[in-house]
Amino acid sequence: SAVISQKPSRDICQRGTSLTIQCQVDSQVTMMFWYRQQPGQSLTLIATANQGSEATYESGFVIDKFPISRPNLTFSTLTVSNMSPEDSSIYLCSVGFPRDRETQYFGPGTRLLVL
Amino acid sequence: GESVGLHLPTLSVQEGDNSIINCAYSNSASDYFIWYKQESGKGPQFIIDIRSNMDKRQGQRVTVLLNKTVKHLSLQIAATQPGDSAVYFCAESIGYFGNEKLTFGTGTRLTIIP
Repeated sequence: SAVISQKPSRDICQRGTSLTIQCQVDSQVTMMFWYRQQPGQSLTLIATANQGSEATYESGFVIDKFPISRPNLTFSTLTVSNMSPEDSSIYLCSVGFPRDRETQYFGPGTRLLVL
Repeated sequence: GESVGLHLPTLSVQEGDNSIINCAYSNSASDYFIWYKQESGKGPQFIIDIRSNMDKRQGQRVTVLLNKTVKHLSLQIAATQPGDSAVYFCAESIGYFGNEKLTFGTGTRLTIIP
């Protein structure tokens, strides 16, 4: 099975700053997604990272706050901009493979605390 | 929007017993379902999936049952072990090409009592 990694694994940030989270897969994937998981809660989809085009955002999430890049089939970044304490969450990337687009496999997550 | 929910937020089971985790879904168009296990400090881990043309699917110590009539999904774990302690999420998808998004349920915390 593929290895999905995220950097950083955790961070503590100051209010008003931005953090870029990286997601790297060791094989080519068709789909890449970014989720937010607030403490003790379920996963909420932020956006679908489209290779070579702009990400597709879910209701309640906007590009200015969560810009996403996907320059190739194995890598994506999510930036959390102008952070506030309400952005403290786990941010997870997931991927879908060409052989099975519907099944998503998750990275280990990035634990973000905003002070 | 459509939602996926769970009946029980917490479940405690004696080691060696079987456990059943339930999930209700509301989107009748959903045709693909996944169960994930999330251990503390980790990302969700794929356990088992099932398509809407099936009622039951078995894996190693796990069985997923799908009742489309009442829009209900369950995960059965046989002979539970301490390593089964985790939060379990069900997720649903409409599953057509270009819309492979998953909607997650609220999660159930399973605790195995030694």
